[in-house]
Amino acid sequence: DTGVSQNPRHKITKRGQNVTFRCDPISEHNRLYWYRQTLGQGPEFLTYFQNEAQLEKSRLLSDRFSAERPKGSFSTLEIQRTEQGDSAMYLCASSPGTVSDTQYFGPGTRLLVL
Amino acid sequence: RKEVEQDPGPFNVPEGATVAFNCTYSNSASQSFFWYRQDCRKEPKLLMSVYSSGNEDGRFTAQLNRASQYISLLIRDSKLSDSATYLCVVNLDTGGFKTIFGAGTRLFVKA
Repeated sequence: DTGVSQNPRHKITKRGQNVTFRCDPISEHNRLYWYRQTLGQGPEFLTYFQNEAQLEKSRLLSDRFSAERPKGSFSTLEIQRTEQGDSAMYLCASSPGTVSDTQYFGPGTRLLVL
Repeated sequence: RKEVEQDPGPFNVPEGATVAFNCTYSNSASQSFFWYRQDCRKEPKLLMSVYSSGNEDGRFTAQLNRASQYISLLIRDSKLSDSATYLCVVNLDTGGFKTIFGAGTRLFVKA
């Protein structure tokens, strides 16, 4: 399967714990995006990378959130001191970085903070 | 005002019906436009890109009106399998790049 993969698919954690999610994009895709989606809403943009450079961060990405893409391939999203409001689906997408820039999504990581 | 707005629906239509969704966007720096489909508890999947000249893919037709800042999606001869949430998506470049999703329009196609 050469699509976008995300791990884990589900995560249950207690408030205050740290969690880390991983995204493996489609190989040779330059751009990688992170989104958060809650019930009844569309995905909300969090951040994106062009190769290893993090070029844009949403105001939604508080200082408890950090994302990395150290070698321009896979990416990690870490949430520190989780809060119940962090419960959501975290989606990763990648794109080739062309003018049309079509994004392809992974299956997401569903986070539940108790 | 939301940057990308859609009628949340739901639209309940019989099989074979034609249904149209509209989406408006507020930022004139919007560069590229898409419709995505999302099934319940699944990831969004690209349905089609949207061009000013209009484009068609089988039963699906998308239109972009830059002057009025709206995008439309027309589905002809609806199938049960078309039941899903349809997301309007806009890429912005305002010195920084960002992708904005609408909240989605839910469609139920019934036999």
